[in-house]
Amino acid sequence: NAGVTQTPKFQVLKTGQSMTLQCAQDMNHNSMYWYRQDPGMGLRLIYYSASEGTTDKGEVPNGYNVSRLNKREFSLRLESAAPSQTSVYFCASRLAQNEQFFGPGTRLTVL
Amino acid sequence: AQRVTQPEKLLSVFKGAPVELKCNYSYSGSPELFWYVQYSRQRLQLLLRHISRESIKGFTADLNKGETSFHLKKPFAQEEDSAMYYCALSEGSNYKLTFGKGTLLTVNP
Repeated sequence: NAGVTQTPKFQVLKTGQSMTLQCAQDMNHNSMYWYRQDPGMGLRLIYYSASEGTTDKGEVPNGYNVSRLNKREFSLRLESAAPSQTSVYFCASRLAQNEQFFGPGTRLTVL
Repeated sequence: AQRVTQPEKLLSVFKGAPVELKCNYSYSGSPELFWYVQYSRQRLQLLLRHISRESIKGFTADLNKGETSFHLKKPFAQEEDSAMYYCALSEGSNYKLTFGKGTLLTVNP
């Protein structure tokens, strides 16, 4: 099993550009999550999907949209990137009542 | 609202010394607490969860509801323990995690 995979690993955008971060898991997990990690801020939840077909806002959803495409895939979209969205983005998944498993992260720089 | 506080951003110890990473929480319900570890430029991985009460890589953590703390301890630190450590608290049936800001542990030779 690959676990949780994310693409791309690195990305540089210009202010105003859009992009989609992809996440997939092969563990048949119900819930999926998107976090951003910033120095001195820890991990903050952007959006989550408790189950296929549902999505909810987390702590810092502004400037982002998500799509739970199917049980395996949960994508994060930046419609108009801003320098404040420069961060490392982690996707995670969880089976009911168990730990969250994290992907390797995407390093995004917005110039 | 729940909150997780890790008061130390940085912690530096020598190999073989005891180490304690502090975590305090505020939560009105019955908490479930975790420690996650992130080695340099790697993904986060679960180190401990309080309900399992097990020791992983020599680390232990005890939930103290009176002091609302879940400190992580290891009696003899190793260089390979150098990493970022995050305390996290779960919320509700959707199992959202609220993370502390993390403590960067450096174990010097």
